Amino acid sequence: AQKITQTQPGMFVQEKEAVTLDCTYDTSDPSYGLFWYKQPSSGEMIFLIYQGSYDQQNATEGRYSLNFQKARKSANLVISASQLGDSAMYFCAMRETLYNFNKFYFGSGTKLNVKP
Amino acid sequence: DGGITQSPKYLFRKEGQNVTLSCEQNLNHDAMYWYRQDPGQGLRLIYYSQIVNDFQKGDIAEGYSVSREKKESFPLTVTSAQKNPTAFYLCASSTQDRMNTEAFFGQGTRLTVV
Repeated sequence: AQKITQTQPGMFVQEKEAVTLDCTYDTSDPSYGLFWYKQPSSGEMIFLIYQGSYDQQNATEGRYSLNFQKARKSANLVISASQLGDSAMYFCAMRETLYNFNKFYFGSGTKLNVKP
Repeated sequence: DGGITQSPKYLFRKEGQNVTLSCEQNLNHDAMYWYRQDPGQGLRLIYYSQIVNDFQKGDIAEGYSVSREKKESFPLTVTSAQKNPTAFYLCASSTQDRMNTEAFFGQGTRLTVV
């Protein structure tokens, strides 16, 4: 079974609007971490935001927030006030602690296009 | 500045040749990883290492080999047994003691078979 599922291969959003990128995960580990990365066309991987499985509040980092619904095993990324520079691939990732502590599982990504 | 350096940025290989991709980190991380990314696709784990002189296969290890003789270095060799090696290769590292630490990535190497 897929550890990380991103069901949106591509998304369009108008500049200055908010957009949600979906991510669901599968784990039996009680303690895990969820990460989002941005990959521009240059190929570098830029870390955006982290959510721990025991965190009570949703993580926020500037214009990025993570809508964490533990019971549904979802960790959606919300980008507010989209900018043209947000156009990129976005990857959701998970790190388990009890099993495979040092393995990061990545989803297939979502390509976001911000329209002017 | 601390970080991960991958070299070369672009690499061309003739069919039947082995090539080695370099990955060096000065972050003092114990864990290091190699991922393969095909166009428009996600990252697939090739090999990872949690400690010097030890490494484990990932999901797509066939046709690849690695070594971890030093904490700072984790080179990846793409052998002639890898049938379709043209791809973007990313090296990463992380700490082992804190779950909330992200994986840090290098700039990547684009390998093309000619």
